Amino acid sequence: GENVEQHPSTLSVQEGDSAVIKCTYSDSASNYFPWYKQELGKRPQLIIDIRSNVGEKKDQRIAVTLNKTAKHFSLHITETQPEDSAVYFCSHLADTPLVFGKGTRLSVIA
Amino acid sequence: DVKVTQSSRYLVKRTGEKVFLECVQDMDHENMFWYRQDPGLGLRLIYFSYDVKMKEKGDIPEGYSVSREKKERFSLILESASTNQTSMYLCASSWGQGEIDGYTFGSGTRLTVV
Repeated sequence: GENVEQHPSTLSVQEGDSAVIKCTYSDSASNYFPWYKQELGKRPQLIIDIRSNVGEKKDQRIAVTLNKTAKHFSLHITETQPEDSAVYFCSHLADTPLVFGKGTRLSVIA
Repeated sequence: DVKVTQSSRYLVKRTGEKVFLECVQDMDHENMFWYRQDPGLGLRLIYFSYDVKMKEKGDIPEGYSVSREKKERFSLILESASTNQTSMYLCASSWGQGEIDGYTFGSGTRLTVV
């Protein structure tokens, strides 16, 4: 499937600061962009998603932005808390199953 | 609560053994997927199925096969296990193509081949 580049691979922030994870894709047919959070030893779980007809979506402290022209989308976490520490995966869907980024390990330091 | 259940949390197998990883979902999803997760490589698609008795190769199908005899069950088969197949295996399922609410994942099977 089409690749998706995810950056950074690791991210450390102080509690209360913001965290941003960025992804770039190449398939212009991509129309659905979910983000997954995987806590240590647990399954990946969907935390937020965005569709191609929307530029931004918020859910409490989490937001996702999408720039279809530039083919990139980002996850923003504000007021980070220790429980936000996890691996985050971006993904996108076109005509094939979900393609995932390589993940970002976020550490929130209390 | 919707569920994707993988039969084993941990498995240790010997090189050359035939290995079966089982996945069952109770959501009446049409689509089921097998991914492999390795540090630094993310989730890579092995095989997927959009219907009973249907299967499609993903990005890394070599050394694997699958079986979907019933809608709720999707099995991953390692025909002759090798040490480079030591990994975390994740099963997932979805409505439609997954564009409604993404995929639901199982808890994973950590396979070690010795």
